[in-house]
Amino acid sequence: GAVVSQHPSWVICKSGTSVKIECRSLDFQATTMFWYRQFPKQSLMLMATSNEGSKATYEQGVEKDKFLINHASLTLSTLTVTSAHPEDSSFYICSARDAGGMGGYTFGSGTRLTVV
Amino acid sequence: GQQLNQSPQSMFIQEGEDVSMNCTSSSIFNTWLWYKQDPGEGPVLLIALYKAGELTSNGRLTAQFGITRKDSFLNISASIPSDVGIYFCAGQLSGTYKYIFGTGTRLKVLA
Repeated sequence: GAVVSQHPSWVICKSGTSVKIECRSLDFQATTMFWYRQFPKQSLMLMATSNEGSKATYEQGVEKDKFLINHASLTLSTLTVTSAHPEDSSFYICSARDAGGMGGYTFGSGTRLTVV
Repeated sequence: GQQLNQSPQSMFIQEGEDVSMNCTSSSIFNTWLWYKQDPGEGPVLLIALYKAGELTSNGRLTAQFGITRKDSFLNISASIPSDVGIYFCAGQLSGTYKYIFGTGTRLKVLA
């Protein structure tokens, strides 16, 4: 089945630094990937839609200069949290559509970001 | 951000019992998906529904896409301890590729 690999699985960084999270579709091409954010015991909130070869589209309230998204190839999207602060600490998850299988979106295993 | 109403929020059930949860919205959706998420992991797709009225099963799981396209339910029959986790519905907004998630149902199974 379709596999989406997300790296790193967890990261701790200092306030003010930037962190890059990678999302790769391992056995299929994904022209569109999605980035979600999840706070403890809460649901997944869509942050942005990552489009291969073009600019990402951000959901209302999500700062595009804060959360930089690059989708440079059909198998890789990256999310960079710039100038991270403790309130950015969260679980970040990407997903990509698998045209085969059940057709739903396959999720990565998530990245737990802790900003200290 | 936008979310779907999902109920119940949490439930404790005895092993062997059937479970039912649902999602409702004021918006129309093209597709409904049901996911299960274990702690510290990404969600795993359980069932996908593509047509209004569609009823689909996956082992002990059964889900239906509501006729109005504004709701969906998931049933789990004869629950077992490994069913423990958080279940999310996700609806694809009509005219977009975006999926909006439900608020989640936390299931705990008592052996």
